[in-house]
Amino acid sequence: NAGVMQNPRHLVRRRGQEARLRCSPMKGHSHVYWYRQLPEEGLKFMVYLQKENIIDESGMPKERFSAEFPKEGPSILRIQQVVRGDSAAYFCASSLATGGYAEAFFGQGTRLTVV
Amino acid sequence: GENVEQHPSTLSVQEGDSAVIKCTYSDSASNYFPWYKQELGKGPQLIIDIRSNVGEKKDQRIAVTLNKTAKHFSLHITETQPEDSAVYFCAASIKESSASKIIFGSGTRLSIRP
Repeated sequence: NAGVMQNPRHLVRRRGQEARLRCSPMKGHSHVYWYRQLPEEGLKFMVYLQKENIIDESGMPKERFSAEFPKEGPSILRIQQVVRGDSAAYFCASSLATGGYAEAFFGQGTRLTVV
Repeated sequence: GENVEQHPSTLSVQEGDSAVIKCTYSDSASNYFPWYKQELGKGPQLIIDIRSNVGEKKDQRIAVTLNKTAKHFSLHITETQPEDSAVYFCAASIKESSASKIIFGSGTRLSIRP
């Protein structure tokens, strides 16, 4: 059973371009979380999605950032018109559908560098 | 919303000694407290978790304690080894039928001195 897969592992974008980060959850997992981590800092919650639904996006910047988790395919975090301050590691985690205490498992992250 | 405070931010201990990392949370409705270990260049890895219906849980050299009244929880690592060097994150979540986000502390960088 493969773990959470994120790609690309490293992404370089020029200011003003778009960045698309992909996350394939573990098999059977229907919940996805996205976190941002700046160097030497902690994990900041961005958005929580279930299949085809955004459950909580309270950590998402109001502009330029969007996320989706379609019925088929990976979850996508999209950053439009990137700026230098968007440079960070972006981690995705997935968990089973809950009703209980399902653990969240993280991917290896995508390191975005804006030049 | 939930806020998780973690201390210390850095911790250096002699190999073989114990390490303790402490966290507090603000939302009394939180009932699930996982701990993650993050090695350089990797994603966080779940190492142990505790639910609000227990006060302590142990797994070999790692133990977690929870004080619901004080809203404190701690990670204890005994007989530390070089491979324990990493950044450790505590987290809190409310596990209900609708699920909820996981809020992390700011992390503790643990260094094990040989």
